[in-house]
Amino acid sequence: DTGVSQDPRHKITKRGQNVTFRCDPISEHNRLYWYRQTLGQGPEFLTYFQNEAQLEKSRLLSDRFSAERPKGSFSTLEIQRTEQGDSAMYLCASSGGPIDQPQHFGDGTRLSIL
Amino acid sequence: AQKITQTQPGMFVQEKEAVTLDCTYDTSDPSYGLFWYKQPSSGEMIFLIYQGSYDQQNATEGRYSLNFQKARKSANLVISASQLGDSAMYFCAMRPYYNNNDMRFGAGTRLTVKP
Repeated sequence: DTGVSQDPRHKITKRGQNVTFRCDPISEHNRLYWYRQTLGQGPEFLTYFQNEAQLEKSRLLSDRFSAERPKGSFSTLEIQRTEQGDSAMYLCASSGGPIDQPQHFGDGTRLSIL
Repeated sequence: AQKITQTQPGMFVQEKEAVTLDCTYDTSDPSYGLFWYKQPSSGEMIFLIYQGSYDQQNATEGRYSLNFQKARKSANLVISASQLGDSAMYFCAMRPYYNNNDMRFGAGTRLTVKP
């Protein structure tokens, strides 16, 4: 049973560098979500894909952030010119089927900006 | 706008006893789903239980049950027979039926199970 897979688990980088995270959803799921979670808070929605189409972006997703889901399978989230405030856990989730089906989350990528 | 409130930042429970984690929500949507997730220290979010706003009965999944009181807009999670492995953060979340991506989470409750 393969769940949602995220890579890397941890990323440490210097301020100003670019980083890219990957998410592999559950194979039969057509919906994919990215969230950001800071310490002591619940996840906050960043963006949503249905198949390859990016249908929604939160205002939290500044111009430095870009997400893609080519071919409707895996997705990447890139942050350009990282800032201290980007330090967080980045969670990917996927879902499929009827609308009441839950989102299944990956283990997350923890980003630390030095 | 939707809002999820979890008023208990931390809770303690003795092993083998039951515990209730509170969740209240605010929404003007007539149809919505309520979810509880568990997040251990390792970071992954684990889906526990779902309740639809039109479901007549409270949801149950093994040792988890949801005490859903629609008029009071509350969806409390009850964990029976607590185990040491239940120690984790617990998040309540809500999503309207018509909007797949508008899932809002509460701030979470940290549960510690004492031996």
